[in-house]
Amino acid sequence: DSGVTQTPKHLITATGQRVTLRCSPRSGDLSVYWYQQSLDQGLQFLIQYYNGEERAKGNILERFSAQQFPDLHSELNLSSLELGDSALYFCASSTLLGNNEQFFGPGTRLTVL
Amino acid sequence: AQSVTQLDSHVSVSEGTPVLLRCNYSSSYSPSLFWYVQHPNKGLQLLLKYTSAATLVKGINGFEAEFKKSETSFHLTKPSAHMSDAAEYFCVVSGGTGGFKTIFGAGTRLFVKA
Repeated sequence: DSGVTQTPKHLITATGQRVTLRCSPRSGDLSVYWYQQSLDQGLQFLIQYYNGEERAKGNILERFSAQQFPDLHSELNLSSLELGDSALYFCASSTLLGNNEQFFGPGTRLTVL
Repeated sequence: AQSVTQLDSHVSVSEGTPVLLRCNYSSSYSPSLFWYVQHPNKGLQLLLKYTSAATLVKGINGFEAEFKKSETSFHLTKPSAHMSDAAEYFCVVSGGTGGFKTIFGAGTRLFVKA
């Protein structure tokens, strides 16, 4: 158990809908990262937050947005969902801003029908 | 710009034989490099990391990796494979100015035969 929690574990929804994925980092970790893992794209970095501020952006679509709250939990919002958004979404956390170990949550499996 | 290439999508070894998973990276500055392992239906776990200290890095479960700047490589090795090593392995590069983007390689699936 990494100490990172993600909810829900599974999510099934329809195209065009909007969903919110939630992540609670390890106690004391200020950095939160979001990743998407799909069969065709592999593991893609989406976005990083540090202490409430966006610090790095990867291949995140405009339909997707994220935020980190004062209590350091983070939410990833996915809107206008498409079939291709079906994937495993991971959250990770780390203590610092820089190049240090990331602790991964168990992931949220999103299925768009 | 950073990139990472895992040279083999699948590697198959017999139990008790050495493991070699190859990774090349590209970076315009001194990167941090990591190997993560993902067992089926599980999250990712850090095996080891290189952050400009010793070039030979020892990790968990008997794995180690050597940072070779001249070859831009960070190959993962283990002297003797165990059945429990069967998993997907990811080489990761991270760091730099303007944000700390994390780039994952495509992954190498390790099969271990009895």
